[in-house]
Amino acid sequence: SQQGEEDPQALSIQEGENATMNCSYKTSINNLQWYRQNSGRGLVHLILIRSNEREKHSGRLRVTLDTSKKSSSLLITASRAADTASYFCATSSSGNTPLVFGKGTRLSVIA
Amino acid sequence: NAGVTQTPKFQVLKTGQSMTLQCAQDMNHEYMSWYRQDPGMGLRLIHYSVGAGITDQGEVPNGYNVSRSTTEDFPLRLLSAAPSQTSVYFCASKTSGGGGDTQYFGPGTRLTVL
Repeated sequence: SQQGEEDPQALSIQEGENATMNCSYKTSINNLQWYRQNSGRGLVHLILIRSNEREKHSGRLRVTLDTSKKSSSLLITASRAADTASYFCATSSSGNTPLVFGKGTRLSVIA
Repeated sequence: NAGVTQTPKFQVLKTGQSMTLQCAQDMNHEYMSWYRQDPGMGLRLIHYSVGAGITDQGEVPNGYNVSRSTTEDFPLRLLSAAPSQTSVYFCASKTSGGGGDTQYFGPGTRLTVL
């Protein structure tokens, strides 16, 4: 069964606004990752946050991790139409175990 | 580097037919995996391999076989295709170990079983 659950399932915002997506998971993790998928394409890795980290930044992306609540959030600032995609969180309990994906959040950024 | 490649991109099968989805990577990654993606279901793990000669089952292995004779290749075999196997299939790879958790995905194979 899926480990991560993203919320909301779908999000529609205007260009320039911030987009926040949340992910909750069930068991202890080694790291949590966010991936992006454009329609009809494979997934692309965005950012990884380890269990001993609380916040990480990469360009317009900000990820937080709260292991006590078993949750993570992905913030995309100053969104662009090109950010329109599905976003998935994935968790790993160790380096050699499979990544387990959530069902994703569909983000639509309207120009 | 080509990264992770998958063939074919599209395939239509009739119920009961068998076929092999090909996956190859040129990054010398030890870890490879197969996922299927269905609408509203996210990605579900079918099989994975932590190195040549080693494979293991994921969440939804029934109806699929894998083998890993080389580091580069990880084919997925459908033994007797069923309409329930209509899906988009993604192959992925990563280095094993704590520092190599970023997973690289292929472009996917869209399979329809009639």
